Formats: sequence, structure tokens, C-alpha cells
Amino acid sequence: ETGVTQTPRHLVMGMTNKKSLKCEQHLGHNAMYWYKQSAKKPLELMFVYSLEERVENNSVPSRFSPECPNSSHLFLHLHTLQPEDSALYLCASSQAHYNSPLHFGNGTRLTVT
Amino acid sequence: EDQVTQSPEALRLQEGESSSLNCSYTVSGLRGLFWYRQDPGKGPEFLFTLYSAGEEKEKERLKATLTKKESFLHITAPKPEDSATYLCAVQANTGNQFYFGTGTSLTVIP
Repeated sequence: ETGVTQTPRHLVMGMTNKKSLKCEQHLGHNAMYWYKQSAKKPLELMFVYSLEERVENNSVPSRFSPECPNSSHLFLHLHTLQPEDSALYLCASSQAHYNSPLHFGNGTRLTVT
Repeated sequence: EDQVTQSPEALRLQEGESSSLNCSYTVSGLRGLFWYRQDPGKGPEFLFTLYSAGEEKEKERLKATLTKKESFLHITAPKPEDSATYLCAVQANTGNQFYFGTGTSLTVIP
């Protein structure tokens, strides 16, 4: 399998549920990212793992928790979400510090009911 | 503050009618400017990277150009399959972050 793979593609969850999004990259990159995409808004960077260092957007609520066990796998753990968290969550990877573009997965469409 | 603005927000073209999309940016030292295409229900697909003013890249009916303040994505004789949202992003010399615009939604009518 090539590129960046995200699972699941669609997720519907209640506000009291706990779920996780998974991302795997097969490009040999050393940086992985979580972005949130909402209608009419720019892609919002949530978290970056680069060369084993984590950078986070301070505006992201604590109900989102990332995990990066190695350079090929990235998770986003979700708990007690709000309806306004409904969005497309995109995972991306790149080769950090090498003028490398981001390569995206097809995202997880999350609906919080 | 690093910022990216894309215009127009939406564009409808007849098949064969050439046009341009604009991406204006402010960044404290440009490492690279990136163009992506995004189809409904899918993630952005990488198209081009531009690194310095005056640089141009081409792929089929698309040509991207770069100045010190903006980039253009020129679409020559578009076809319906070119319909998509086109996103622009910049990366600054400092850090590893990418800043995205809100995109231009292109519809090409047969």
C-alpha cells in the first residue's frame, strides 16, 4: 500500500463516546500532522510530530489527544466531543526540513451527535 | 503574521475558457509555496511547489507562477474533470508549519 492511509473514512459518535482515528504513511517521511478542515475555513493545524518532537496548536481543546508511536503511525484519540467538532480530519506526512510538500490521506469525516 | 488569501472564492468556467486563480501571501521568509487540488470527499492532492520569485511549473493544463507577494494558477482550456477546489499553502523558513488559504472552488461546465 502506498501514500497516506486513514481509517475510518466516516465516523459518527455521541458526545460521551471515546474513539480513535488512525493514520499510516508508507512514504518514509519523518513528520506527521493532524489537520481539521471545516467549510469555508483554512485547514487548521492541530498537531505535528517531527523528528520525535511534538508541536501543538494551543487552541486545540484537550478532548483531542494525539499519539505517535513511530514515524509511520499517528493516532488522534477523541473523547467527550462537541457537535462543533464535526469536520473532516486530515492526516498528512512530509520530510521535515527538506522543502518537502505535505502528502495527505483522504481524511475521516467525523459527525458528533 | 503569516497569512494566505485566495481569490476568487468560487469560479465557474465554460469548457475551454482559460482563467487564473490567485494566492496572495505574507510570510517571514518563504521556504516554499504549494498548490493542491482537492476533490469532494478526498484529501488534498499535491500539484506544485514553487520556491522563488520568477519560478514557473506546468502540468497538463495547469501552470503555476510565483512573485514575491503572490502566486497564480493558470488554467488553459479547462475540461470538466478540472472541477475541484484548489488550495494554496506557504511554508516559512522558520519552523515546519504550513499555512493554507480557504481555497477556490472551480466548476468547469461542459
